[in-house]
Amino acid sequence: AQSVTQLGSHVSVSEGALVLLRCNYSSSVPPYLFWYVQYPNQGLQLLLKYTTGATLVKGINGFEAEFKKSETSFHLTKPSAHMSDAAEYFCAVSENTGFQKLVFGTGTRLLVSP
Amino acid sequence: NAGVMQNPRHLVRRRGQEARLRCSPMKGHSHVYWYRQLPEEGLKFMVYLQKENIIDESGMPKERFSAEFPKEGPSILRIQQVVRGDSAAYFCASSPQPNTGELFFGEGSRLTVL
Repeated sequence: AQSVTQLGSHVSVSEGALVLLRCNYSSSVPPYLFWYVQYPNQGLQLLLKYTTGATLVKGINGFEAEFKKSETSFHLTKPSAHMSDAAEYFCAVSENTGFQKLVFGTGTRLLVSP
Repeated sequence: NAGVMQNPRHLVRRRGQEARLRCSPMKGHSHVYWYRQLPEEGLKFMVYLQKENIIDESGMPKERFSAEFPKEGPSILRIQQVVRGDSAAYFCASSPQPNTGELFFGEGSRLTVL
């Protein structure tokens, strides 16, 4: 069965610093991977996804993630943090090609200080 | 252009009572998904519904839990005879069609069982 591990329940960065949120997955089949973000008082929204093709995936708001099969990782990065990036970030893997059954990690809360 | 609407946002029930959680999908979306987030865990898939049909309920507990998505009106997640272990955040998501890899989530309904 698929599973997702997010290292670090909280990550703190200064405005302008690099953002790195870690995600490792376990999957017995080629994985379909997602990052979702939840801003305060809002629902989760899709940041980016990897299904097939290019392993470096670009998403909204300047975020990107790289699928590394050898490391079973899908880390999320952003070169320069902005105060508005403060939110909770969830990595997920799909159990099926229909993408309806997502297995989520426990989330990482990103704190951005001035 | 309303997003996925869930209500109530917070619900408190005593053990043995019933809980009903409602979800109105985004306009034009006919596919609804329910996920549950227990404390300190990631979101877990419960059920996938289309109008008047349950497509996949493999994540639903076998007893006390039921879901419906009638022809008219919101999707309902019903929990009968609640127990303390049902305390969780319940998230609803919708999509215009399956297999897109993007789910649109509501803000969640937080159930507390006393």
